[in-house]
Parts: sequence; C-alpha cells; structure tokens
Amino acid sequence: ETGVTQSPTHLIKTRGQQVTLRCSSQSGHNTVSWYQQALGQGPQFIFQYYREEENGRGNFPPRFSGLQFPNYSSELNVNALELDDSALYLCASSLAGTGGVEKLFFGSGTQLSVL
Amino acid sequence: KQEVTQIPAALSVPEGENLVLNCSFTDSAIYNLQWFRQDPGKGLTSLLLIQSSQREQTSGRLNASLDKSSGRSTLYIAASQPGDSATYLCAVLPYSSASKIIFGSGTRLSIRP
Repeated sequence: ETGVTQSPTHLIKTRGQQVTLRCSSQSGHNTVSWYQQALGQGPQFIFQYYREEENGRGNFPPRFSGLQFPNYSSELNVNALELDDSALYLCASSLAGTGGVEKLFFGSGTQLSVL
Repeated sequence: KQEVTQIPAALSVPEGENLVLNCSFTDSAIYNLQWFRQDPGKGLTSLLLIQSSQREQTSGRLNASLDKSSGRSTLYIAASQPGDSATYLCAVLPYSSASKIIFGSGTRLSIRP
C-alpha cells in the first residue's frame, strides 16, 4: 500500500465527453504527477503539480488540465475525449522541492475506456 | 531528447534462476534512475532508486546498478520466484526537466514454477 488513492478505478465514456479523475496523495507529500499508460507501453508524463502550481508538463494538448488543492489532492480533467485517450491514468505523489527527485509513490490507477 | 529502452520486452525463466534485466538511456545527465514493478492492470511499486552519484542499490534479492557513462542500468534478481512475475520498468529523471520522469516500455517477466 502506497497511501495514494485514485478514483474511480474504472470509467467508460464516449467520444467528445469530458472526464475528471481524482487522486489523494500520500500524507505529507506536496507534489503530484499524472501519467498516461497505454497498453503495453511505459507511462507517459502528463504534468506535475507542486504546492498547487503546475510544475512541468509533457507533450499533451491543452484539453488535458489539472488542479491541486490545499490538501495536496489533485484532479486530472480531460475535455473532448478521443478514442486514443483510452488508457490507464496513474497518479504519483512525492515529497520534493522543485521536482520529483525523491521516490515516487503510485496509486493503482484509473482505467479509462473511450467508446 | 532522452530515450529509455528496455530489452528484452518479455522474458520467461524457470523458478530459482538468477536473472538480469537491462535498461539503457541516451542522455547521462540524470538526477536518478528508478526501477518499478507493475502487476497487470495495477499501479507501479518503486523497487529501488539510485541517485546519480551512486553505483548501486540493494533490497533483499534485488540489486540495481547504474553506469551513467555508458547509459546503462541493470536489475539483478536472485533466486527468482513465481511471485516475481510482473512487468519491470526503469525510469530516469533528467536534468533537462526535473519534474518529467521518462519511462522505458518495460520487461514482462514470467517465472515458471
């Protein structure tokens, strides 16, 4: 158990819809990162939040957006869903100053299917 | 652009064997390298983290080494067990972006009883 929880565990949406995924970080961790993992691939970095501010972003379009709250929990929002958005979405928390230099602790992920 | 490669993509060995998983990366300017384990449909569990100034880390039957100059890391698993069956991923944290961890595609390991 990493102490990082994600909800929901599974989700089915249709193309064009919007989705919100949630993550509660491990107690005391101030940094949350989101990753997208397609089947058979390694996770791809979406973005990271440190103390409620975006602190780095990968090659994902603006329809992928996020939030971090004062308790360091986080949301990932995806607008105008596309079929290729179907993937496992992973959240990871860490305790760091300006980056993920410390160990990452991952949640179990949200499996998103877009039909 | 940093790229992380893991070969082979899949490996099957009989129980009890010692084995080595390989990871290579193209840019040696990294803060650290981590090895993760992932069970099917699940999140990642951090196994070992090697800082750039270190050469290796050990935890139980696992030993990970790091050679920055050659852009290589290995994960050694001693006396493999069926419970070790999982996908093993390596990931590097580059200087160029201290928030963006870059993963390899993983090696899917199967230990035959």
